[in-house]
Amino acid sequence: DVKVTQSSRYLVKRTGEKVFLECVQDMDHENMFWYRQDPGLGLRLIYFSYDVKMKEKGDIPEGYSVSREKKERFSLILESASTNQTSMYLCASSFSGYGYTFGSGTRLTVV
Amino acid sequence: QQQVKQSPQSLIVQKGGISIINCAYENTAFDYFPWYQQFPGKGPALLIAIRPDVSEKKEGRFTISFNKSAKQFSLHIMDSQPGDSATYFCAASNFNKFYFGSGTKLNVKP
Repeated sequence: DVKVTQSSRYLVKRTGEKVFLECVQDMDHENMFWYRQDPGLGLRLIYFSYDVKMKEKGDIPEGYSVSREKKERFSLILESASTNQTSMYLCASSFSGYGYTFGSGTRLTVV
Repeated sequence: QQQVKQSPQSLIVQKGGISIINCAYENTAFDYFPWYQQFPGKGPALLIAIRPDVSEKKEGRFTISFNKSAKQFSLHIMDSQPGDSATYFCAASNFNKFYFGSGTKLNVKP
């Protein structure tokens, strides 16, 4: 089974901190994605990557950046955390043309 | 704008009943339509998916019905069980980018 591992299940950070969310997949998927999930809003795409060192903005990239230095690892960076970035963050990976495999999520609280 | 619209937002069904969740889309370039199931504290998991060249796909108690002309698709859960209680998301994709519905919280009462 494909495994997508997110490094933290729960995080509490202070406003203004730089926050790193890590995601690792073990099946050599070329595509990786970061979503945030909020009640009533579903899943919204923040950034995605189709290859190493490649990144594309999703629908809500403001306040975020990403890094993909190795194929298996895709990091989401909150440059200066704000309370409106309190959310569940989900990482996913896929082969082209197939469905995603999601990680278990990181619930981030910014205080 | 929302690329995929999902309804209802929540659904209560008695054990043994049929659960039906509907989704509609606008972009005719979408070529893959999956459904995901999410339990509390977990990430969404792929449940069943369909491509637009077929009108129905069945896997066990789960069926996707697809109406290309109406740009609608739906998930039917037959003989619903309390263990099916979860949040369900529909999605549509093209070129590997997925757009998700807002989710339906299903509660199956014993």
